Amino acid sequence: GESVGLHLPTLSVQEGDNSIINCAYSNSASDYFIWYKQESGKGPQFIIDIRSNMDKRQGQRVTVLLNKTVKHLSLQIAATQPGDSAVYFCAETPAGGTSYGKLTFGQGTILTVHP
Amino acid sequence: DAGVTQSPTHLIKTRGQHVTLRCSPISGHKSVSWYQQVLGQGPQFIFQYYEKEERGRGNFPDRFSARQFPNYSSELNVNALLLGDSALYLCASSLGGSGNTIYFGEGSWLTVV
Repeated sequence: GESVGLHLPTLSVQEGDNSIINCAYSNSASDYFIWYKQESGKGPQFIIDIRSNMDKRQGQRVTVLLNKTVKHLSLQIAATQPGDSAVYFCAETPAGGTSYGKLTFGQGTILTVHP
Repeated sequence: DAGVTQSPTHLIKTRGQHVTLRCSPISGHKSVSWYQQVLGQGPQFIFQYYEKEERGRGNFPDRFSARQFPNYSSELNVNALLLGDSALYLCASSLGGSGNTIYFGEGSWLTVV
């Protein structure tokens, strides 16, 4: 039978390095953006979110940057650890109303951290 | 506190059969959404329910249906299964409303043979 391979962008880093994962979104009406981490065989795990009225938000070892002008989102992970190895997805949703809860996911990036 | 819980975790069905997947949201969450994730892709939105009413539907055929119960738990039903329905089905919950974090369960792995 036909095999289906993963065609996601990949990022390989050494343990302790900083990682930057990028995401382009298409809907200029999107108001709320979320980064998820998905390990093999598991559901997406919330990392950090940002509203469209902000351009930067920091969490523990993670920072999200939002550039609405070019519709670009990035996730920075400081001091990357082997446990950070996973697929990272950005997701967007329009503001409020009946559209809220309908997330549109980006392509995903495979992050591999080498000890 | 328990997160979003889904059942069953894995199941195998034959083409043409019907499947029901179940989801319990985080306590206090009134919004439940369903997503389909095929291998190598991001999750695709199927349905959203809030306060027991359907609030959104993705680009899926009518073979897919869902409902939300008074306790805010939800079921996703898929009729006349096709091989292409094989995927990870994810349930997500939130308080509802803009800016509230959306949390996912671990999913139900469906294999159609």
